[in-house]
Amino acid sequence: KQEVTQIPAALSVPEGENLVLNCSFTDSAIYNLQWFRQDPGKGLTSLLLIQSSQREQTSGRLNASLDKSSGRSTLYIAASQPGDSATYLCAVISGGSNYKLTFGKGTLLTVNP
Amino acid sequence: GAVVSQHPSRVICKSGTSVKIECRSLDFQATTMFWYRQFPKKSLMLMATSNEGSKATYEQGVEKDKFLINHASLTLSTLTVTSAHPEDSSFYICSGAGARYNEQFFGPGTRLTVL
Repeated sequence: KQEVTQIPAALSVPEGENLVLNCSFTDSAIYNLQWFRQDPGKGLTSLLLIQSSQREQTSGRLNASLDKSSGRSTLYIAASQPGDSATYLCAVISGGSNYKLTFGKGTLLTVNP
Repeated sequence: GAVVSQHPSRVICKSGTSVKIECRSLDFQATTMFWYRQFPKKSLMLMATSNEGSKATYEQGVEKDKFLINHASLTLSTLTVTSAHPEDSSFYICSGAGARYNEQFFGPGTRLTVL
């Protein structure tokens, strides 16, 4: 059974700081890995999707890496802004006939002005 | 990205009543739709997977007679919480995936409160 762990559970940083969110998973036989953002009481916004054959994806100030063999992914946020404050969720996608997303509990990020 | 809507966004009901939540893919055909539940400070947990025109596949521990899922068309899936109880209060989120299965697109969620 796939298990996804995100560390830290919460993080508070001053504006402008670069930061790294961590995600680990127990079963390396994954199809894709996806990072989401969730604002309080809202749905999910997809940030980056990394296919299993890729090592990283970049979008603006965000960079996500994937190391399948070690079961790890990181989300790097550069020059953080107060608007980045949200919960960040990592989800591992299993492919084939059992296609499903397994989510971590998330990291609650607060960027202080 | 593709757009998925959910209705209602928020619902409050009395214990024992049934509540229906709609999930629509607005600009793509969702051959598969997924229903998730999220309790406070917990992960999103997959409840069931539904393919258009066939019965839903429920995850272990999810009561199929309590959470009725219908996926009658390529753009609409419904989740009906039957005889709701306070412990069913949660945030329910649906997602849709097209035939290529490369990505799921998520709805904005429905907050259910059972009194």
